[in-house]
Amino acid sequence: EADIYQTPRYLVIGTGKKITLECSQTMGHDKMYWYQQDPGMELHLIHYSYGVNSTEKGDLSSESTVSRIRTEHFPLTLESARPSHTSQYLCASSESGDRAEAFFGQGTRLTVV
Amino acid sequence: AQTVTQSQPEMSVQEAETVTLSCTYDTSESDYYLFWYKQPPSRQMILVIRQEAYKQQNATENRFSVNFQKAAKSFSLKISDSQLGDAAMYFCAYRGGGGADGLTFGKGTHLIIQP
Repeated sequence: EADIYQTPRYLVIGTGKKITLECSQTMGHDKMYWYQQDPGMELHLIHYSYGVNSTEKGDLSSESTVSRIRTEHFPLTLESARPSHTSQYLCASSESGDRAEAFFGQGTRLTVV
Repeated sequence: AQTVTQSQPEMSVQEAETVTLSCTYDTSESDYYLFWYKQPPSRQMILVIRQEAYKQQNATENRFSVNFQKAAKSFSLKISDSQLGDAAMYFCAYRGGGGADGLTFGKGTHLIIQP
């Protein structure tokens, strides 16, 4: 099992609430990623980071924001959750290098009611 | 932009048989990397096998091998001697060279293993 952890695994929350999805890795990887995965659909990159204080938006537009204050930690925040944010969110990390393997967390399944 | 296409939403195979999952991709880059990831139900996605585009030799990892056809932009995964533990979603993924960001995934193929 990879050393990358996401909490919570499942979250049901009301519309308008602020939420933070946590992601931590203990492998010392510089690169970290957030993907959004809808049921039966491919994963889409929504945020990534090359290292501390680096954050970039991915291919899929998202209302979420991320921060990278520590190498091992890459939280994702939604300031005001909406039903359209209902999805599975997967965090991943990798070493630098194009052939590097990405290690994935178990995901957070978010439901906004 | 790069795209990855998996045309088989679901595949079924008898235990101990061989199955091939298809993947095609579109890119204008010459330097890139291709991956197959496995996502078991409620478990972490893990790397199955990877292929560098500059390598002509097809990658092999135990029972898993690929058929990489660069000109045809095809990257199929062959699973030999299928086992019950192989049941999962399989995603084909692409990453460009030169420090590209993240992976571009296909929609996945759900592999069912019949005992």
